[in-house]
Amino acid sequence: GIQVEQSPPDLILQEGANSTLRCNFSDSVNNLQWFHQNPWGQLINLFYIPSGTKQNGRLSATTVATERYSLLYISSSQTTDSGVYFCAVEPRAGNNRKLIWGLGTSLAVNP
Amino acid sequence: ETGVTQTPRHLVMGMTNKKSLKCEQHLGHNAMYWYKQSAKKPLELMFVYNFKEQTENNSVPSRFSPECPNSSHLFLHLHTLQPEDSALYLCASSQDQDVEGNTGELFFGEGSRLTVL
Repeated sequence: GIQVEQSPPDLILQEGANSTLRCNFSDSVNNLQWFHQNPWGQLINLFYIPSGTKQNGRLSATTVATERYSLLYISSSQTTDSGVYFCAVEPRAGNNRKLIWGLGTSLAVNP
Repeated sequence: ETGVTQTPRHLVMGMTNKKSLKCEQHLGHNAMYWYKQSAKKPLELMFVYNFKEQTENNSVPSRFSPECPNSSHLFLHLHTLQPEDSALYLCASSQDQDVEGNTGELFFGEGSRLTVL
């Protein structure tokens, strides 16, 4: 089945720094979603981005479906950005509605 | 506030207990999901209900029993669980294009942290 790999697994930033998180996937996908899980477990959908670029405040994401990767950019990071960032994809082949999840990037932003 | 509410937030139960997790979505979505999140593992999809019909059951043990009485409510009934079932159980909803359509944008509840003694 499709593999989803996220990098880096762990990241420590100083407040105000910028960062790029990467999600690679091994096969064609119907859609891709980025999520942020805060330290209390709440998962928030950041982007629904099967292709192209989207921006939301200090966050932006780009998916290059033909090259099977997506990037999440965090600019001017804040302590509230801490948590785990997940990428999830829906494979084009096989059973729909089953999102395949990466293991996440654990981000700590220090004041 | 994501529009998806889960109760209880924390649950401790013995292996012989019967308990239920509840999820309610206020978004008018047509699909609801149960996920299990364990440490160091990817999120595991347990059940999917689309248009109130169960469309996914990913080889989940029968000690987990889902119930979807309507498109806004989803339950997970727990019976004779094992300590390895301790995890964060997440409910989510989405608006899918059709029964066989692509997964829409997922909205999650805050999760129910389950500990089985």
